[in-house]
Amino acid sequence: EVQLVESGGGLVQPGGSLRLSCAASGFTFSNYWMHWVRQVPGKGLVWVSRINSDGSNTRYADSYADSVKGRFTISRDNAKNTVYLQMNNLRAEDTALYYCLREGRGTRNWYFDLWGRGTLVTVSS
Amino acid sequence: DIQMTQSPSSVSASVGDRVTITCRASQGISSWLAWYQQKPGKAPKFLIYGASSLESGVPARFSGSGSGTDFTLTISSLQPDDFATYYCQQANSFPPTFGQGTKVEIK
Repeated sequence: EVQLVESGGGLVQPGGSLRLSCAASGFTFSNYWMHWVRQVPGKGLVWVSRINSDGSNTRYADSYADSVKGRFTISRDNAKNTVYLQMNNLRAEDTALYYCLREGRGTRNWYFDLWGRGTLVTVSS
Repeated sequence: DIQMTQSPSSVSASVGDRVTITCRASQGISSWLAWYQQKPGKAPKFLIYGASSLESGVPARFSGSGSGTDFTLTISSLQPDDFATYYCQQANSFPPTFGQGTKVEIK
């Protein structure tokens, strides 16, 4: 079955760290760019980060309200079909459901054609 | 960043109704727009890309239109499985941004 399964979420104190994982199956993982998007419960979707297919290029949200640059690191292990999001110096405003996404290829480039179910991160003392 | 604004934020409709959701971009995005469907507790589902191209396996009652700044998602005859929240996403410029969602509820 073609799917993405996130894990690693949980409760963490402000200033703490978490590493999210996203295990891919059912497709050739190494061919695809991967992304993380987050959603505050009851709110909209916000793009967080992306990594290209071989892991050599990454980008992060850096607008004032959504900035994770310098705190979050995206990486991947193509041998394990897994993408990661290392989150450091967490803040209350990082509390959200984090989704792993696959970017489509060809005419579906820049769109997200496969999503996981998400893993919940709660930052609170 | 490009702001995406959806309207309405929610709509109540009956099975068989025609439902139209609007998405407006804060600047022109050509046809670089996608629509997604999200049901509670489930992964969002990719419906439409390029403003009007239906993803494989998506029922033909879904259609998309528009270009530039104004786009619509239409469900021609609402089915029980279609009650969900729908999001638009622009892919014209970085970073990708989403609308705030439109919840389609049972009337």
